[in-house]
Amino acid sequence: GAVVSQHPSRVICKSGTSVKIECRSLDFQATTMFWYRQFPKQSLMLMATSNEGSKATYEQGVEKDKFLINHASLTLSTLTVTSAHPEDSSFYICSALQGARSDTQYFGPGTRLTVL
Amino acid sequence: AQSVTQLGSHVSVSEGALVLLRCNYSSSVPPYLFWYVQYPNQGLQLLLKYTSAATLVKGINGFEAEFKKSETSFHLTKPSAHMSDAAEYFCAANSGGGADGLTFGKGTHLIIQP
Repeated sequence: GAVVSQHPSRVICKSGTSVKIECRSLDFQATTMFWYRQFPKQSLMLMATSNEGSKATYEQGVEKDKFLINHASLTLSTLTVTSAHPEDSSFYICSALQGARSDTQYFGPGTRLTVL
Repeated sequence: AQSVTQLGSHVSVSEGALVLLRCNYSSSVPPYLFWYVQYPNQGLQLLLKYTSAATLVKGINGFEAEFKKSETSFHLTKPSAHMSDAAEYFCAANSGGGADGLTFGKGTHLIIQP
């Protein structure tokens, strides 16, 4: 149980284009999902908290208009990187809380974004 | 602001030896603490967690960790290392609310020598 998937696993795009990454909780409902970014050989940095049916809460320094987050259902959150630039290349990882009163985040396998 | 420090970006132990990965947190209130493992090209897997119950926490794959408030530490141990334990290990914390994002340490790469 508590499986989180991400799609795509890898994506390469040209500079200036937009890329959408999906995060799905496969066997549970997730009212809260999180988006993290991991640079090569570094730790994960929280980008934003996504709550179903409401606006995402972004961490300081994360551009809301560049990283659009939508959590339209209890099993799906999407991250859209708009007007991507090479510096946006990174490993993006989502996680989901299993239940509204859960204290444990279950992580997706991540999406490797490369912007040319 | 909360922070998590992992001492040693790389730890190397012999197969069968004790594994000790260090984690210290900085928080005015004892947080919830987690250890995750990341194998190459895979997502993070939860090893164990401390949520203000028992201070000695047992996790999967023979790992355990002890919460020590006086030392603000949550070190991860395993009595006998196995080759399959080679991976990246992350210590993480949040404020104790389930809806809070995690603050991660920089990670420790565990190397197992045959």
